[in-house]
Amino acid sequence: AAGVIQSPRHLIKEKRETATLKCYPIPRHDTVYWYQQGPGQDPQFLISFYEKMQSDKGSIPDRFSAQQFSDYHSELNMSSLELGDSALYFCASSVTLAGGRADTQYFGPGTRLTVL
Amino acid sequence: AQKITQTQPGMFVQEKEAVTLDCTYDTSDPSYGLFWYKQPSSGEMIFLIYQGSYDQQNATEGRYSLNFQKARKSANLVISASQLGDSAMYFCAMREAGTGANNLFFGTGTRLTVIP
Repeated sequence: AAGVIQSPRHLIKEKRETATLKCYPIPRHDTVYWYQQGPGQDPQFLISFYEKMQSDKGSIPDRFSAQQFSDYHSELNMSSLELGDSALYFCASSVTLAGGRADTQYFGPGTRLTVL
Repeated sequence: AQKITQTQPGMFVQEKEAVTLDCTYDTSDPSYGLFWYKQPSSGEMIFLIYQGSYDQQNATEGRYSLNFQKARKSANLVISASQLGDSAMYFCAMREAGTGANNLFFGTGTRLTVIP
């Protein structure tokens, strides 16, 4: 079965640089979520999109922005990178059911961002 | 307040034995979902099992079962017949459906080591 695809898998950037992470959800999934997992930490929710509109917002820094495109893929844009942004960034996708409740979220393999 | 609490930072189990990983949750929302994910050392986040707050029966998926005790607000994961490949980090997560948000709140995880 097709899974969530994330690219790149690894990314190394310098402080103050920008980075763009891409996510391709499971076919027919209409909702995309972004999570950040710091070293030794649990994943923290950043932002989500349903049918190309932002649906929920978590602890996403103002330096980060994201969008979902017409083909449902999503991109997380990160600017003015800081050392503390080094983390594993997950994208997850799900189907949103009638009434707005989401089905199970399936995670991609993650993008490991290292900021030097 | 922490929404998901996993009190076992690390657990050891002998191969072929069963093991229980603890998870307690805190919510005032009557409609919620509880999830368990497995994160091997390679980093991906693998969905294991789901329990809805209104489900009458405990969820089971192969060797995984969820011991759901609603009054105690616990959702422990039971892995039967442990295998070496079960060695990984295990996260309990919750989604509160009543808020309209679909993001997951994760616990701090339990690292399971299966001993040959």
